Amino acid sequence: DVKVTQSSRYLVKRTGEKVFLECVQDMDHENMFWYRQDPGLGLRLIYFSYDVKMKEKGDIPEGYSVSREKKERFSLILESASTNQTSMYLCASSLLGSGGGGDTQYFGPGTRLTVL
Amino acid sequence: KQEVTQIPAALSVPEGENLVLNCSFTDSAIYNLQWFRQDPGKGLTSLLLIQSSQREQTSGRLNASLDKSSGRSTLYIAASQPGDSATYLCDPTDRGSTLGRLYFGRGTQLTVWP
Repeated sequence: DVKVTQSSRYLVKRTGEKVFLECVQDMDHENMFWYRQDPGLGLRLIYFSYDVKMKEKGDIPEGYSVSREKKERFSLILESASTNQTSMYLCASSLLGSGGGGDTQYFGPGTRLTVL
Repeated sequence: KQEVTQIPAALSVPEGENLVLNCSFTDSAIYNLQWFRQDPGKGLTSLLLIQSSQREQTSGRLNASLDKSSGRSTLYIAASQPGDSATYLCDPTDRGSTLGRLYFGRGTQLTVWP
């Protein structure tokens, strides 16, 4: 069965802390994504990766960085957490599509991060 | 940039009704389109994926249609049940991108009451 896991369901951090959100998929997917979801704004893409050590900026990369050292793991890093980064963070993965697009995206359960 | 609009934003119906959720997108050059459901405080679950060459897909009580040229997709839910209560998201995927990037609308929040 397809599985995307995220390291924490709930996380509370203080302003200025460095925060790591981990995502692991067990489906040998090439593509991995990080989104944040906020009321009234929907899901917004932060970063994505299509291969190990490769990364691309999404729509709102400011204040975030990512790391993909292994195919199955994609980490989102908040270098210095701020209160406006309080949000639900969702990780997803997908196969590289044969036609140049992606296949079905599978989502993790989400991490609700609160920055005080 | 792809813009996705979903109508209605919210829907509240009694159990047993047949429902229509609408999605429109601005760039018709898509690779495929997915419908997701999201339960409160949880991740997204893929319901149906329609390839750009297809007109519709069915799964149980769900049927999704795609009219790529007009930039529209519709999700039909037959004989709705309280367990269908969730937010439904429509998401077209870029053509020409190796990443299958999705563009999310705000979704339709569905409540089915007994």
